[in-house]
Amino acid sequence: ILNVEQSPQSLHVQEGDSTNFTCSFPSSNFYALHWYRWETAKSPEALFVMTLNGDEKKKGRISATLNTKEGYSYLYIKGSQPEDSATYLCAFNNNDMRFGAGTRLTVKP
Amino acid sequence: DVKVTQSSRYLVKRTGEKVFLECVQDMDHENMFWYRQDPGLGLRLIYFSYDVKMKEKGDIPEGYSVSREKKERFSLILESASTNQTSMYLCASTPLAGGFYEQYFGPGTRLTVT
Repeated sequence: ILNVEQSPQSLHVQEGDSTNFTCSFPSSNFYALHWYRWETAKSPEALFVMTLNGDEKKKGRISATLNTKEGYSYLYIKGSQPEDSATYLCAFNNNDMRFGAGTRLTVKP
Repeated sequence: DVKVTQSSRYLVKRTGEKVFLECVQDMDHENMFWYRQDPGLGLRLIYFSYDVKMKEKGDIPEGYSVSREKKERFSLILESASTNQTSMYLCASTPLAGGFYEQYFGPGTRLTVT
């Protein structure tokens, strides 16, 4: 089973801080890399699906980059807000979907 | 808006009971999935279905079965619940096969087996 590693496991930041976390995945047979946000008591929601090496995607204050050759993706949040508090999941797809354990972000007002 | 609903948010069952978890999606998606999520682990795939009456085992199918009699509904069945099946269960759907499609998730069912 291919491992997808996310770091850190948890993160506490102050409102207004910018933050980033990492998803590492096997670099062979790459199809796509997904990022999801999972807020407490809600359904996980897709943020990005990335397919090309060097891809950069942005949605509001959140952006992500992808390096398929070295097997990592970064998720950045600029100017964190309390509503950004959630668990951020990445998933690597090479025909099967493999999820990391997530990074739990807490943004303190 | 795609909506994936699950029959219960919280469920408490006794060891040995037969448990049904229901999932319904309203966007005519072909593929449906059942995952479980445990602390410190990523979502693990139990079963998936790419068409009515079709099913494929995921990584951890032991102790589970599934049913897909209608396109919109995918049921997960615990034949004889055990305490190690206490977990959060998530259902998801995608329009077509392939890793390029985002998964649409339900809100999850937290199952406790005592």
